[in-house]
Amino acid sequence: NAGVTQTPKFRILKIGQSMTLQCAQDMNHNYMYWYRQDPGMGLKLIYYSVGAGITDKGEVPNGYNVSRSTTEDFPLRLELAAPSQTSVYFCASSYPRPASKTDTQYFGPGTRLTVL
Amino acid sequence: KQEVTQIPAALSVPEGENLVLNCSFTDSAIYNLQWFRQDPGKGLTSLLLIQSSQREQTSGRLNASLDKSSGRSTLYIAASQPGDSATYLCAVDNTDKLIFGTGTRLQVFP
Repeated sequence: NAGVTQTPKFRILKIGQSMTLQCAQDMNHNYMYWYRQDPGMGLKLIYYSVGAGITDKGEVPNGYNVSRSTTEDFPLRLELAAPSQTSVYFCASSYPRPASKTDTQYFGPGTRLTVL
Repeated sequence: KQEVTQIPAALSVPEGENLVLNCSFTDSAIYNLQWFRQDPGKGLTSLLLIQSSQREQTSGRLNASLDKSSGRSTLYIAASQPGDSATYLCAVDNTDKLIFGTGTRLQVFP
């Protein structure tokens, strides 16, 4: 299994440009997540999805959009890039949450984005 | 609103020392607490997950404890090694979302 993969690894954008960060997982996980990590900070949840066709906002959704057309893929879209979106973006996935709430999340290697 | 704090922010120790990393959270209504390791330029790797009904979990030289009533968790690393150098993040799970602390950057020197 490749686990959680993310592309690209690095990207530099100009203010106002758009891009899509790709995330895919091959573990048949229903739950998928997008986080951003600013320097010296913890991760903050942007959007998450509990299954194909279902998405919901996290703590910091402004300026981003997501879609979930398949179980495997969960792309993150930046429509009008701003310097405040300079960050490292992590995608993660996990199994559905049973009542015991035991499952951890599996993380991709991240995408380092700079907006100039 | 759940807030997670980690102390210290950075730690530098000689090889072989036993050390403790601290994590505190403000809302005790959690489902579980997890400790992750993050290497520079890499993603996160799960180390230990403690369910809300548990008091501790162990994996090799790592032991994590949880005290929900006081809103605290500790990660104990025994006989530290240079390979343990990384950032350690704790995260609490409530309402199906992880809330992360800002991490402790650990350096173990030979």
